This record gives sequence, structure tokens and C-alpha cells, in this order.
Amino acid sequence: VQLVQSGAEVQKPGASVKVSCMASGYAFSSYYLHWVRQAPGQGLEWMGMIKPDGGSTSYAQNFQGRVTMTRDTSTSTVYMELSSLRSEDTAVYYCTRGVIGSYGPRLDSWGRGTLVTVSS
Amino acid sequence: DIQMTQSPSSLSASVGDRVTVSCRASQGVNSYLNWYQQQPGKVPKLLIYAASSLQSGVPSRFSGSGSGTDFTLTISSLQPEDFATYYCQQTYNMPPTFGQGTKVEIK
Repeated sequence: VQLVQSGAEVQKPGASVKVSCMASGYAFSSYYLHWVRQAPGQGLEWMGMIKPDGGSTSYAQNFQGRVTMTRDTSTSTVYMELSSLRSEDTAVYYCTRGVIGSYGPRLDSWGRGTLVTVSS
Repeated sequence: DIQMTQSPSSLSASVGDRVTVSCRASQGVNSYLNWYQQQPGKVPKLLIYAASSLQSGVPSRFSGSGSGTDFTLTISSLQPEDFATYYCQQTYNMPPTFGQGTKVEIK
């Protein structure tokens, strides 16, 4: 399993950023992909998830209205776009595969992360 | 949202020590509880799922226990590569929420 994320971004406050995550080594449509972010020196924060088969999404309330997750099944790639960026959005954004089990999903494979810096 | 509280926030231990990290949920989460390890500068790694199931490839010195609101991650004999931050995560209710992390440092 490999999740390859796009490179670091620097954006101005108010702008948008779109991070990609290309999956390989497994059946892309069979597993949800989640996005988790980590601000500098801080803990992990779940942002949302997308089901590649059909494209249904679920977002954390904190990001509702600002985040959009999409997928391209032809390239096994998912995207996370975050708009109206503010300095507090400076963080590493991880793409991670969710495996469904009897006790909910577990995040068993992670991309290397994409650093998004929001600065004027 | 379900709040996950870990204790302690940090601890110092020596190689060979037995280490326990606690995680408490603000409401019952059955066994919908995962543990992750994040070594400095690295990506989080799944250690334990469903409260007590060891992820494939994870050394057997790691174990998890608990159900409902109180959970424990135990490292039976701390190794140099175990110095890291550990996070619990509940998946009982949406959104899945993480604890704030427990940093295990070298004594």
C-alpha cells in the first residue's frame, strides 16, 4: 500500500489549497480515504473521509463549508481542498486509508504528509 | 463530539521499563478504540485496533486493554525505538476523535 501526497504549499490567508493523494498497491475503490491534520507541535485532528466507490463524503463539523474531498478513480487519486485559509490552518495534512472492522475504521496506512503554510 | 483524554501528557522512562498510557472517553465507546504511535518527525503508525488487537507487524511488547470509557496501552519492556508520542482514537461516533497524545521520553 502506498499513498503518495503532493508537495508542500505556501498560501496567503483567504486563499484555497488543494492537496492530492495517489493510492497504489490495493483496490482503490474498496477502502475509504481519510484526511487528518497536525498543526506544528500539536496532536492529530480528523477532517473527513471519502468513499472512492461513489464519492460519498463525511466531514468534521469544524471544517463544514470549507473543505471539499473529491476523487478520480481513473488515477486512484483523492483530493482535499480547504478554502478561506487562515494562519491556524498551517499544518501537515495526512491522507490515510481506513480499514473497516467490527469496531469501526482503523487507519492502517498513511501518506508522508503535506505541509501547508498559511502566511501573508 | 466524544472527548478523549490521555494521561499522563508525558512521561520519562528507561529502556526495559514497563510503561502504561491511559485513555478515557467522555462517554462509552465499547471497544471502538485504536492506538497510534508517532515517532519524532515521522508519520503516525497504527499499533492497536479494537482496543486490544495487535496490528500486523507490531511487536508483541505492545498491548491494549479496556472497554467502555477506560483504556490502557502497555509497553512491556521499553525499547529505544519506542520513544515517541502515542495517541488513542475512538471510532464509536462520528467524528472519530483523538486524544491529545502522551509523549514517552528517555529518562
